[in-house]
Amino acid sequence: DVKVTQSSRYLVKRTGEKVFLECVQDMDHENMFWYRQDPGLGLRLIYFSYDVKMKEKGDIPEGYSVSREKKERFSLILESASTNQTSMYLCASSLRGGQLRQPQHFGDGTRLSIL
Amino acid sequence: GNSVTQMEGPVTLSEEAFLTINCTYTATGYPSLFWYVQYPGEGLQLLLKATKADDKGSNKGFEATYRKETTSFHLEKGSVQVSDSAVYFCALSIPIYNQGGKLIFGQGTELSVKP
Repeated sequence: DVKVTQSSRYLVKRTGEKVFLECVQDMDHENMFWYRQDPGLGLRLIYFSYDVKMKEKGDIPEGYSVSREKKERFSLILESASTNQTSMYLCASSLRGGQLRQPQHFGDGTRLSIL
Repeated sequence: GNSVTQMEGPVTLSEEAFLTINCTYTATGYPSLFWYVQYPGEGLQLLLKATKADDKGSNKGFEATYRKETTSFHLEKGSVQVSDSAVYFCALSIPIYNQGGKLIFGQGTELSVKP
């Protein structure tokens, strides 16, 4: 079965810290995504990657960076955490192929609190 | 631009009631349309999808029909159960650099089913 695993379910960090969120998928998917989810705003795309070492900005990339050194792993980095980055973070993956009908498969999310 | 609008929640129903959650979209081209469900404390799961006009997606008693003339993809279920209590997200897929689809989400509709 499809599996996207996020390393932490809950995380508490302090303002100014560098924070790493890890995501691993076991489906050999080319595409991987990071979203944040906030009440009333739905999900917003932060970054995505369509191949190893490739990355593209999403709709809200400011304050974030990503790393994809291996096909199965996609990391989200908060360079200097701020309180407005307190949120639920969701990782997803999908097949590529230029086919819009490929669904995305999501992990269970990391609830991050910045104090 | 591309956007998805869902009816606001929360929606509260009694068990065995009929459910409709409205979703309308704005998009250029021919997007695919999806409904995702998020149970408490979990990530998003694909509920159903439709990839072209007049397609009907269905799963677990839920249905939605891709209506291009009204740009809608309303979610329906004939008889809801307590276990259907969750947040439902409507989403459309638009192309990204010919590398698959990027999802644009609605804000989510919370459904609460009472016994």
